[in-house]
Amino acid sequence: ETGVTQTPRHLVMGMTNKKSLKCEQHLGHNAMYWYKQSAKKPLELMFVYNFKEQTENNSVPSRFSPECPNSSHLFLHLHTLQPEDSALYLCASSQDFGTGELFFGEGSRLTVL
Amino acid sequence: AQTVTQSQPEMSVQEAETVTLSCTYDTSESDYYLFWYKQPPSRQMILVIRQEAYKQQNATENRFSVNFQKAAKSFSLKISDSQLGDAAMYFCACVSGGYNKLIFGAGTRLAVHP
Repeated sequence: ETGVTQTPRHLVMGMTNKKSLKCEQHLGHNAMYWYKQSAKKPLELMFVYNFKEQTENNSVPSRFSPECPNSSHLFLHLHTLQPEDSALYLCASSQDFGTGELFFGEGSRLTVL
Repeated sequence: AQTVTQSQPEMSVQEAETVTLSCTYDTSESDYYLFWYKQPPSRQMILVIRQEAYKQQNATENRFSVNFQKAAKSFSLKISDSQLGDAAMYFCACVSGGYNKLIFGAGTRLAVHP
């Protein structure tokens, strides 16, 4: 298995739908992250969890709701999204907090109609 | 606040040649780390090389090396003997020690021509 697995790889949803993105890491890491990657823009950090506790919420709209039930799993719950939320959502994990050495998943490509 | 700037949206190189990707950053912290990440088309992003700000010696990883100019806040990546598999988006990134907010630049798309 790859170190960080994201599902689904592709998701198309309407603005009134509710869906979730899932991330699972098999590396025994303690910190997990959600990043948003839009075309022609730098990666945007959304949320950081360390030992299941949220340590960073980078002013993300409430239509994005993260959940971290344990150090191996991270979810991003989506509801009433906007077309501008269409992007590649990347999950990452790291062993240490604060050293920036992240291991990324392949991403979930989200399209909001 | 930290910022990372990559001024080259696209670069190209001939196979077996050398190419240098530029990056400048700004941080008020004295303890920080710098990184280059590679994102191949439709594949996951991987760490290429890492530099601790307190180390004067430039980091190297096989064909990849950096030129870290701390006073100028410059952190360029040199790829020697370029290979077709080096074609990817390259992102420069910075994190302050003790924090977990890894800030990325906008990326440089590298094309490698046979």
